[in-house]
Amino acid sequence: DGGITQSPKYLFRKEGQNVTLSCEQNLNHDAMYWYRQDPGQGLRLIYYSQIVNDFQKGDIAEGYSVSREKKESFPLTVTSAQKNPTAFYLCASKASGTNTGELFFGEGSRLTVL
Amino acid sequence: AQKVTQAQTEISVVEKEDVTLDCVYETRDTTYYLFWYKQPPSGELVFLIRRNSFDEQNEISGRYSWNFQKSTSSFNFTITASQVVDSAVYFCALSEAMVGYSTLTFGKGTMLLVSP
Repeated sequence: DGGITQSPKYLFRKEGQNVTLSCEQNLNHDAMYWYRQDPGQGLRLIYYSQIVNDFQKGDIAEGYSVSREKKESFPLTVTSAQKNPTAFYLCASKASGTNTGELFFGEGSRLTVL
Repeated sequence: AQKVTQAQTEISVVEKEDVTLDCVYETRDTTYYLFWYKQPPSGELVFLIRRNSFDEQNEISGRYSWNFQKSTSSFNFTITASQVVDSAVYFCALSEAMVGYSTLTFGKGTMLLVSP
């Protein structure tokens, strides 16, 4: 089945450690996104990528980094510079060349910093 | 800048009641797209509907209906005869129709609790 796979589903990290969240899609979508969800805050855009080897900062990119070496993969690294990394992270993708298409989401990764 | 406001943080109803989730948006564009997503406890957001700014017809899909009114910049969502399985967080979102790719701006969500 086509879809978006995020891993791990749950992740615990000690303060000062970097951690990488995986996002893989087999929908052949060009565009991929990372959102952060906090209670009562809705979804906020971290980074997005329109094509391979290209990505743009979203509204809250500080303390995060991404790469887009392959069309199907868009990993997110939460660095030690991110001051409050405990959150639920959602990856999404969208069909290429359109502003009308809906986003398809993965099931999310919940990161807890101990 | 675009903005989506969902003023209702949490709504509790009893099964079979009708419930309306409010969504108000702000945008400078004349062409834009509005969305509703459902987030069940599993966490994945599920697409429910997309509406473009030129189509103000209301839409009904089973127990779900949407009321789009440009005059009040609102895109409200009504669930008729609610069921326990409707319990979830519902997000309204806006996408401006820019050249090239655009991003979705989400509201903060409304948590709907339907009790038996």
